[in-house]
Formats: sequence, C-alpha cells, structure tokens
Amino acid sequence: DTGVSQDPRHKITKRGQNVTFRCDPISEHNRLYWYRQTLGQGPEFLTYFQNEAQLEKSRLLSDRFSAERPKGSFSTLEIQRTEQGDSAMYLCASSLAVQGANAFFGQGTRLTVV
Amino acid sequence: AQTVTQSQPEMSVQEAETVTLSCTYDTSESNYYLFWYKQPPSRQMILVIRQEAYKQQNATENRFSVNFQKAAKSFSLKISDSQLGDTAMYFCAFMKPSNYQLIWGAGTKLIIKP
Repeated sequence: DTGVSQDPRHKITKRGQNVTFRCDPISEHNRLYWYRQTLGQGPEFLTYFQNEAQLEKSRLLSDRFSAERPKGSFSTLEIQRTEQGDSAMYLCASSLAVQGANAFFGQGTRLTVV
Repeated sequence: AQTVTQSQPEMSVQEAETVTLSCTYDTSESNYYLFWYKQPPSRQMILVIRQEAYKQQNATENRFSVNFQKAAKSFSLKISDSQLGDTAMYFCAFMKPSNYQLIWGAGTKLIIKP
C-alpha cells in the first residue's frame, strides 16, 4: 500500500478559474476526509465521506466548493470561480470506519490563486 | 464547540535534549480521542501518538510520550532524546467519536539544533 495520494501537488490558477483536486485513499479505508490548511494554521475540516456517501458537508466554505466520491474509492474536490482567499493547502485523509480510527494524510495539494 | 489551543508558536532545543509541547482543549464530552501529529517541512502530516480519554494510562511511543490530564483538559507531548529529524510543526488534535472530525490547534514549530 502506498498510502494516501493526492494530485496535483501544486496548482497555480488565475482568479475566476475552476480547479479540481483528486485524492486516492488507502485501499481498505472507507472514510475519506478533506481539510484546508492555511499558512501558519492547523487544518480546518471541510467534508467527509463514508464509502460514496457524503455524511457532512456543512463545513464546506461556500457553495463554490463541492466534493464527490462516486464509487467509494477516489474523491475529487472542486472549487469554482476561485478567489485569492482560496489559496491554501488542501489535505486529504482516510481512515477505517471505526470509532477513534487514526486518519492517514496525503501530502496535500497546494493551491495558489493569482 | 470543541477548541484546541497550543500556546507555544515556536520552540527550539539542542539535539538530545527533552522538550515538552503544550496543548489544552475545551469540551463537554466525556469520551473522545486526542492526537499529536507531526508535519515536517513540505511533507505530509504524520501521526505521532494518540490517547483515548477513557484510558488513565498515558500513551507512549518510543521517545514520544504524553501527559494527559483529563480534569485539567491538558494533553502535552514530551519528546525525549530529541533528534534533528524531529524538526517539524507539531499539531494537537481532538476527535469526538460521533463525527470523526479532527479539531486542530494552531501548531508549534519545533526546531532541533545540532
């Protein structure tokens, strides 16, 4: 197992463009999480899935943010009409669906909006 | 709502010394989990150690140990015999069993000097 994989590692985009990030979790993990981390801060929870079901999405920052996990494997996070304030590291993590399970993180996608 | 506070933005110690990072949290829950994660520069978040709130015994993982004071809502991390590779951001995180979301502190930047 190669761990949680995120693609791309870096993305530079112009303000107003749409971007999509991909996360491939550890294969036996059925929970998948998205977090956002701005410089000098701890991660901030965005949303999570159990299998293909999105169980919490109220923390998504605005309606410009959406996430999918269509077949319960990989997930995508899309940001529409990007703004400079969206510049951050977007982290994906996965875990087993057991109480208190450890979350394993990918290396993140660093987004820069210019 | 749960909050996690790390009051030390940055710490620096000599190699081989012992260092303690502080973390306090606020919750009305009686059952929860606490974690310390390490984030080396430009690398992924790595779990260092975890503590279940129902366990009185402090968790230990090799050179890493915690001092969990449930009544005081304190969860400090002690690193013994510090090594250059311990240089990283260290984040304290809280998890409520019911929702699997991690609530994070702002982090402590730890620098190990040769």
